[in-house]
Order: sequence, then structure tokens, then C-alpha cells
Amino acid sequence: AQKVTQAQTEISVVEKEDVTLDCVYETRDTTYYLFWYKQPPSGELVFLIRRNSFDEQNEISGRYSWNFQKSTSSFNFTITASQVVDSAVYFCALSGVDDSWGKLQFGAGTQVVVTP
Amino acid sequence: GAVVSQHPSWVICKSGTSVKIECRSLDFQATTMFWYRQFPKQSLMLMATSNEGSKATYEQGVEKDKFLINHASLTLSTLTVTSAHPEDSSFYICSASGTVGHRLVSYEQYFGPGTRLTVT
Repeated sequence: AQKVTQAQTEISVVEKEDVTLDCVYETRDTTYYLFWYKQPPSGELVFLIRRNSFDEQNEISGRYSWNFQKSTSSFNFTITASQVVDSAVYFCALSGVDDSWGKLQFGAGTQVVVTP
Repeated sequence: GAVVSQHPSWVICKSGTSVKIECRSLDFQATTMFWYRQFPKQSLMLMATSNEGSKATYEQGVEKDKFLINHASLTLSTLTVTSAHPEDSSFYICSASGTVGHRLVSYEQYFGPGTRLTVT
């Protein structure tokens, strides 16, 4: 069975601080995909990144960066120099491939609150 | 990227009535669509997977007779909540994957904006 754990329920930071969101996953599959989504108050999911299990390179996109550590089954997400617009719920998700593709197992989500 | 729309964006209905939610892929052929449900302050839970032209596959614990899913074309899937009750009040989100022109994007998944259902 697949499982995604986001242990942090809520993180509050002051603008310009960095914030790191933890994501730990469990799967028996050797090939899988990991995702991060942002859900602002409007409710619409915003895709941030997709990473397959064979690509352990860390990635940076603007103020966002991701650290994939297969050895610890973690896929952590860091927002550098946070801004008020970053306030949202962030979900980490896991998908298998083939018949399991697209059946996303979401973590519980982490609410990020950025205050001015 | 590909666009998925949902209609309506929100709906209020009385207990006992049925509600239909549409999910459309606007610029690609959605061979597979997924329906998720999200209760307030909670995570998204997969309800069912539908492939165009075939019956939907429901996740464990999801009543298929209550949540009717139809994926009759490559651009439209519908979720009908039958005999809705207050406990069915939730945010329903669809996602889709498929092909854009001749490009296979089956490993891309595009989410709709969601439909907020309130049953009174």
C-alpha cells in the first residue's frame, strides 16, 4: 500500500523567511512518481513539480527547491524568501505507474501561513 | 498546459435530490479521468477512475450506486451524486490525462478547479 506523510500540519513564518515542508512516502513500487501541489484558498490545485523515482537530482525553480532522498523516502520542499502569496495548503502526492498511474495518494497537507 | 473545467463551480441542493457535476477537458483528449473528494481542512481522496467508454473503477468504500460516473466521450466525464445528504457536502475535484494532438501526455495529469457541493 502507498502512503504519504506530511507531519507538519501548519507552519507560520514571517515574510522573507525560508520554509521547508517535509514529505515522507511509503511504496512497494520500484517505479513511481512524486508530486507537490499548492492549494490556495480558492481551492484550485496548482501543480508545482513531478519527479520520477529514478531521478534523484534536486531541483530549483525560482524560489522553490526540492530535495529528493530515495534512501530516506523523502521529498522535501523549500520555499526561499517566502512571500504572503505563498500562503496556501501544500500537498505532497505519490502515484504508481501503469494501472496505478494517476491514482494519487495525497498527504494530509501542510498549511503555510506567511505574515508580512 | 492542458485545461480542465468543471461545472458548476458550486452548487447548493436539498437533501434527497441528485446533483450532476461535469468535468471537461478543453484542449486535449482525456482517455482517463479521476474524481477526488475533499472534506474541509482535509486531504484529497480518490473516489474513482474512469476510462472513456468503459465503466468506472471505484476505490474501496465509495458507493458506486451513490456516485454515478459516466465518461461517455474523450472530453467529458460526469459525476452524479444521487439522493444527496448533508454528509455528501464536500469539494469534488476531477483530473484528466490523455493526449494532446499526437503527443501522449498520459503521465501528465491536469486538475479541474473543483466543485463545492453543499447539501442542506
